[in-house]
Amino acid sequence: DAGVIQSPRHEVTEMGQEVTLRCKPISGHNSLFWYRQTMMRGLELLIYFNNNVPIDDSGMPEDRFSAKMPNASFSTLKIQPSEPRDSAVYFCASSLSSGANVLTFGAGSRLTVL
Amino acid sequence: GDSVTQMEGPVTLSEEAFLTINCTYTATGYPSLFWYVQYPGEGLQLLLKATKADDKGSNKGFEATYRKETTSFHLEKGSVQVSDSAVYFCARANTGNQFYFGTGTSLTVIP
Repeated sequence: DAGVIQSPRHEVTEMGQEVTLRCKPISGHNSLFWYRQTMMRGLELLIYFNNNVPIDDSGMPEDRFSAKMPNASFSTLKIQPSEPRDSAVYFCASSLSSGANVLTFGAGSRLTVL
Repeated sequence: GDSVTQMEGPVTLSEEAFLTINCTYTATGYPSLFWYVQYPGEGLQLLLKATKADDKGSNKGFEATYRKETTSFHLEKGSVQVSDSAVYFCARANTGNQFYFGTGTSLTVIP
């Protein structure tokens, strides 16, 4: 398996622009998580899906952030409009919702908003 | 609520030194416990796990024992190497598959 695949790996954009981050979870995994990592705040859970349904989005910072999972093999995290304080590394992770619950992370998308 | 507290870093050790990174968790239910490692520029990777009390997880010379009586899951390694330099995260997962991560502990091993 290729693991959790995220794109783009790096994105540099200007304040006010729309940003879309993409994730392909491991085939067969039915839970998907979006995390944000910064030096100041560490690793923060933004939202997670179970069987394509959002279960907990309490970590989404504000209305500028939205996430979708239209099918079991694809999810997006969108920021519109982006702001400099959104600069961070965004990780997608997936797991099976039963059993030992091992969470597998993607390599991350590093976002810089100028 | 559910949480994980781990030792703050950064930690700097000489090669072959003994490593301990402390981790405690809130005792809600019967969580599974994990240590993840993040090498520079990469995502988090599972290092080891334990799913019930008294279980010992081990991998690459690292060990951690699930201690229910002290609600702890401390990470240890007897002899660290330069290649162990990374950030280490303690985590717990409840039966609802919700993960809670600690703040991470940065380890630097110098030759």
